Amino acid sequence: EAEVAQSPRYKITEKSQAVAFWCDPISGHATLYWYRQILGQGPELLVQFQDESVVDDSQLPKDRFSAERLKGVDSTLKIQPAELGDSAMYLCASSPGVAVYNEQFFGPGTRLTVL
Amino acid sequence: DQQVKQNSPSLSVQEGRISILNCDYTNSMFDYFLWYKKYPAEGPTFLISISSIKDKNEDGRFTVFLNKSAKHLSLHIVPSQPGDSAVYFCAAKLGREYGNKLVFGAGTILRVKS
Repeated sequence: EAEVAQSPRYKITEKSQAVAFWCDPISGHATLYWYRQILGQGPELLVQFQDESVVDDSQLPKDRFSAERLKGVDSTLKIQPAELGDSAMYLCASSPGVAVYNEQFFGPGTRLTVL
Repeated sequence: DQQVKQNSPSLSVQEGRISILNCDYTNSMFDYFLWYKKYPAEGPTFLISISSIKDKNEDGRFTVFLNKSAKHLSLHIVPSQPGDSAVYFCAAKLGREYGNKLVFGAGTILRVKS
């Protein structure tokens, strides 16, 4: 069964360091999402791609976060510099992108701890 | 401004009984509502959904009810099984013009006791 892949699964870093997360969506899925889930809260959308274009990055803290999906397939989310408040689970999801298709498929996430 | 609220952080149910998880929303623009289930160390997995023009959708042991006038939906699991123990997220979807964006609630931890 096709799955969304993410790496690394766990990342521990010190404040002010740079970190990067990788996501490989299900093959053929045009839409890719990055979410942040803080403990005790639901996932919150950071950025959405349609193919290689950003559709929504209104909740992305652009002073320190960046995301790219250069060839419209896999994607990287970067934080530089990391802050203590960035400790969270970072989830990637994908969907076929068809207008009437509502389900998003999630990867296992990357658990980030900033010390 | 929480558009989707799950007011019960946790729920404990005996195996074989019914589990009822609740969700309230504030935005009338949502066109679909979804329930996701999440086990520890895994990403959320899709469980069941309902269109805003429906009031019930059933899939095996899982039924979702939508009360649009009250802006309330609920997930019923009958009978509950120990393997259903997980975190359940309610999510509401905006339409295509808003990028099919999902807004999640904070989740409810369900524990099914055997």
